[in-house]
Amino acid sequence: SQTIHQWPATLVQPVGSPLSLECTVEGTSNPNLYWYRQAAGRGLQLLFYSVGIGQISSEVPQNLSASRPQDRQFILSSKKLLLSDSGFYLCAWSGPGGLGPDTQYFGPGTRLTVL
Amino acid sequence: KQEVTQIPAALSVPEGENLVLNCSFTDSAIYNLQWFRQDPGKGLTSLLLIQSSQREQTSGRLNASLDKSSGRSTLYIAASQPGDSATYLCAVDSGYALNFGKGTSLLVTP
Repeated sequence: SQTIHQWPATLVQPVGSPLSLECTVEGTSNPNLYWYRQAAGRGLQLLFYSVGIGQISSEVPQNLSASRPQDRQFILSSKKLLLSDSGFYLCAWSGPGGLGPDTQYFGPGTRLTVL
Repeated sequence: KQEVTQIPAALSVPEGENLVLNCSFTDSAIYNLQWFRQDPGKGLTSLLLIQSSQREQTSGRLNASLDKSSGRSTLYIAASQPGDSATYLCAVDSGYALNFGKGTSLLVTP
């Protein structure tokens, strides 16, 4: 079966500090990978998606970036965090092994607070 | 741009009641629609996925319907239980990504 991991679970960082959130998927190959953010009082927003190693598409202009160094690893980064980066970050996958090619499965999330 | 709206924003019902959650979307050109459940501080769990060519999907006590032409979907929960308390999110797939509503927060009281 497939599992998706995210870490850390919670993070408190000062403004201007760097960020690295990691997501890994087990039990599937060549999945599509996604990073979403859920800000307080707002719906989920797609930040990045990837259809393969080194292939990243950005949906929202921001000070965040994403990388996919391995097939089942997706990393969200920032060089300098802003207060507005606070939120709940969710990683998701879709593809082989899912109920259908379109069904997205989400990780447990990382709650980021920028002070 | 696809806009997804969920009504009501919050709902409280006594245990055993049947209930309906509503989702509407502005662009009917969709691939599919999914309903998710999110427990406080947790990730999302996929409940049901309806392809654009389908009218409804059922899983246990859950039934989701889709009327693509009118831009509406409903999630019907039969015989609600306290364990159903969570936020329910509707998401529309218009291509490679999902557009989410803000969710309906459901509380089922014993």
